[in-house]
Amino acid sequence: EAGVVQSPRYKIIEKKQPVAFWCNPISGHNTLYWYRQNLGQGPELLIRYENEEAVDDSQLPKDRFSAERLKGVDSTLKIQPAELGDSAVYLCASSLTGGQFFGPGTRLTVL
Amino acid sequence: QQQVKQSPQSLIVQKGGISIINCAYENTAFDYFPWYQQFPGKGPALLIAIRPDVSEKKEGRFTISFNKSAKQFSLHIMDSQPGDSATYFCAASKGQGAQKLVFGQGTRLTINP
Repeated sequence: EAGVVQSPRYKIIEKKQPVAFWCNPISGHNTLYWYRQNLGQGPELLIRYENEEAVDDSQLPKDRFSAERLKGVDSTLKIQPAELGDSAVYLCASSLTGGQFFGPGTRLTVL
Repeated sequence: QQQVKQSPQSLIVQKGGISIINCAYENTAFDYFPWYQQFPGKGPALLIAIRPDVSEKKEGRFTISFNKSAKQFSLHIMDSQPGDSATYFCAASKGQGAQKLVFGQGTRLTINP
């Protein structure tokens, strides 16, 4: 069984530029999560989807971050414009009824 | 407010020894406590998890001990191996499935050969 797939794995951009991350969850997993992991810290939830619906986006900085999960499968997380403080690893995870399974993440560097 | 506090921040153990990582939580509504293992450049991988209705759960060399009254839980790695060198995160949530996980700050474990 394939795990959670994320792309790109690495992204370097200049501040004020837009950036997007893509996630394909484990097949059949209806719940999808986006986390941000700062260096030396644990992951922090940005948004959680149940199928197509965002059911918890309280931690998502909505002035610059947006996310979508069309058709309840793949998801895209976007930042526009990026700031220096957005440099982090962005992790996608999925679950069905049990534990959450994480992808490898996208390491974002904002210069 | 840090809801899950993890210690130590880093730990060095000799091969064959026991590694112990501790976590404390504040929210008594938490009822699912997983541990994740993360290698450099990889996402966290679910290692073992426990619910508060049991005081201990063992899977191979990994054991979770849980103290509900103290609101603490710990991970024990028996016969630690160099391949166990990684960062370990405890976490907590209300419910096992589609719930918000709150993570600890992580422990960088190094097993010396």
